[in-house]
Amino acid sequence: SQQGEEDPQALSIQEGENATMNCSYKTSINNLQWYRQNSGRGLVHLILIRSNEREKHSGRLRVTLDTSKKSSSLLITASRAADTASYFCATDGIQGAQKLVFGQGTRLTINP
Amino acid sequence: EPEVTQTPSHQVTQMGQEVILRCVPISNHLYFYWYRQILGQKVEFLVSFYNNEISEKSEIFDDQFSVERPDGSNFTLKIRSTKLEDSAMYFCASSPNRQGTYEQYFGPGTRLTVT
Repeated sequence: SQQGEEDPQALSIQEGENATMNCSYKTSINNLQWYRQNSGRGLVHLILIRSNEREKHSGRLRVTLDTSKKSSSLLITASRAADTASYFCATDGIQGAQKLVFGQGTRLTINP
Repeated sequence: EPEVTQTPSHQVTQMGQEVILRCVPISNHLYFYWYRQILGQKVEFLVSFYNNEISEKSEIFDDQFSVERPDGSNFTLKIRSTKLEDSAMYFCASSPNRQGTYEQYFGPGTRLTVT
């Protein structure tokens, strides 16, 4: 079964720096989505990239997708303290599968 | 902006008791889901629901679990006889469209503690 696996598991950077998180998966996908989760809270949808797209931007977020390597990256530019959270990638399969398969997440800490 | 809501935010129950977790999906969405996240672990898919029936379920979703859409707005997850290992955050999600791309919007979660 497909799995999203993020790396690094934890990332700590200074405010203002860029943060890059990676995600790998095992089987063919339809879409890949990134979510943010503040400690003990719900999942906030950040961005969706389709399997036929290579890059997508939303504000300070930039997502890339390389289907040949089965990997995606999430870049947060000019990080802020409020970006401190866990970030998860989630994939859904081809054949119109509805369920999302989540990775373990990257815990991002932005130090002021 | 419309959002998925869930109640209660925290539920404490004794082992063997029945619990019902409630969700109000976004109003024009057609697909509904339950996921759970055991503390420190991945978010795991439980079940998806469309057109008043289950469309997919995971191995976790055994006979102790059931879902229902009792009216036009609520979507519930029932656990018939809770076990200690059911302690987790339970997230409801909804999405508008199955064809092509779709985004799933998650509620804030219900933290279930089984003692």
